[in-house]
Amino acid sequence: GAVVSQHPSRVICKSGTSVKIECRSLDFQATTMFWYRQFPKKSLMLMATSNEGSKATYEQGVEKDKFLINHASLTLSTLTVTSAHPEDSSFYICSAPRTTLGPQHFGDGTRLSIL
Amino acid sequence: GIQVEQSPPDLILQEGANSTLRCNFSDSVNNLQWFHQNPWGQLINLFYIPSGTKQNGRLSATTVATERYSLLYISSSQTTDSGVYFCAVELGETSGSRLTFGEGTQLTVNP
Repeated sequence: GAVVSQHPSRVICKSGTSVKIECRSLDFQATTMFWYRQFPKKSLMLMATSNEGSKATYEQGVEKDKFLINHASLTLSTLTVTSAHPEDSSFYICSAPRTTLGPQHFGDGTRLSIL
Repeated sequence: GIQVEQSPPDLILQEGANSTLRCNFSDSVNNLQWFHQNPWGQLINLFYIPSGTKQNGRLSATTVATERYSLLYISSSQTTDSGVYFCAVELGETSGSRLTFGEGTQLTVNP
């Protein structure tokens, strides 16, 4: 079964709205989680690394104030797209490693559409 | 940073055919995963294979870490195999580091 849960799976909202996406590790603790973004017909690009109890690490070109990441517990990381605009429409997906040596597990992703 | 190249970018097969997808990477890695992304966007983890060979039903994968490539074999393809196949690699001494994805192979299996 799923080891990483992501919610919601789809969001459609108006421009200017802030949208929060949750990523949960279901039966393990994740001190680190990763947030990726995927545009249509493109590959996945890492946006940021979410660190439990400390600030997130953002990739070059990703606006920190636009994409707020909070990792307040060992099983939950949230990504908030603030004041979303149509260009923020994309597929967002999170991942977490279950063990120190092993695969990354992915949520099912969130399809965000800003009208 | 590390470069990940997948080939071919597109592949069209008749049902029942076999195929080989390739992933080349530019640096030593500690993790390599193959994924199938279905039409709903879900990433299905096919293999965690930093080295060696694994098989799961009609799928198998081989990673030759010293030569920096991995191969994904699909035998007796079915229409449900259609979708995008991604290779992703991870640097670092331990897992928990970022994954870098290739551009993917778009596979279409026709009935």
